[in-house]
Amino acid sequence: GNSVTQMEGPVTLSEEAFLTINCTYTATGYPSLFWYVQYPGEGLQLLLKATKADDKGSNKGFEATYRKETTSFHLEKGSVQVSDSAVYFCALSDQGSGLTFGKGTLLTVNP
Amino acid sequence: EPEVTQTPSHQVTQMGQEVILRCVPISNHLYFYWYRQILGQKVEFLVSFYNNEISEKSEIFDDQFSVERPDGSNFTLKIRSTKLEDSAMYFCASIDSPLSRGNEQFFGPGTRLTVL
Repeated sequence: GNSVTQMEGPVTLSEEAFLTINCTYTATGYPSLFWYVQYPGEGLQLLLKATKADDKGSNKGFEATYRKETTSFHLEKGSVQVSDSAVYFCALSDQGSGLTFGKGTLLTVNP
Repeated sequence: EPEVTQTPSHQVTQMGQEVILRCVPISNHLYFYWYRQILGQKVEFLVSFYNNEISEKSEIFDDQFSVERPDGSNFTLKIRSTKLEDSAMYFCASIDSPLSRGNEQFFGPGTRLTVL
């Protein structure tokens, strides 16, 4: 079956630091990959996505590249802000199937 | 921008009671999903629904759960006899077509279910 393994948190950074959250996956098919973000007290919001190998998803300064050879989709941001503090979930979906999520990584950015 | 809505935002119930969680998907979407997130844990897929029938369900979605699209707008999740371990945040999601836009599912804000 499908699974997503995500870097354990929590992650605490200072403002303007570089962020990496690792995500690897296993899938029987050729999935689409996603990063969702959950701000405190809110629901899930799509942050970025990639649908095929070597695609780079990007949004709000965050980036992730679909690496089929390493089955990875690591999330990066060059300079985090306090407002980026949230829980980040890596997920995959195969042709509209239910999303398979990682366990989530809590990011706290201090001023 | 169209969005998925869910009601109520918080539901408190006694163990053994039935609850119905409601969702209004985005109006032109055809595929609907329910997920749950137990506090502090990952989001788990429960069920997907298309063309008035279940298209996929997880092992969590046992006989205590059912889904329905009673009219052209609502999509409901019913738990027949709630257990303490059903306490979680329940998210509804919808998508216009699984083959479009990288299968992006749009999530509602969630209903927090507390079973006492």
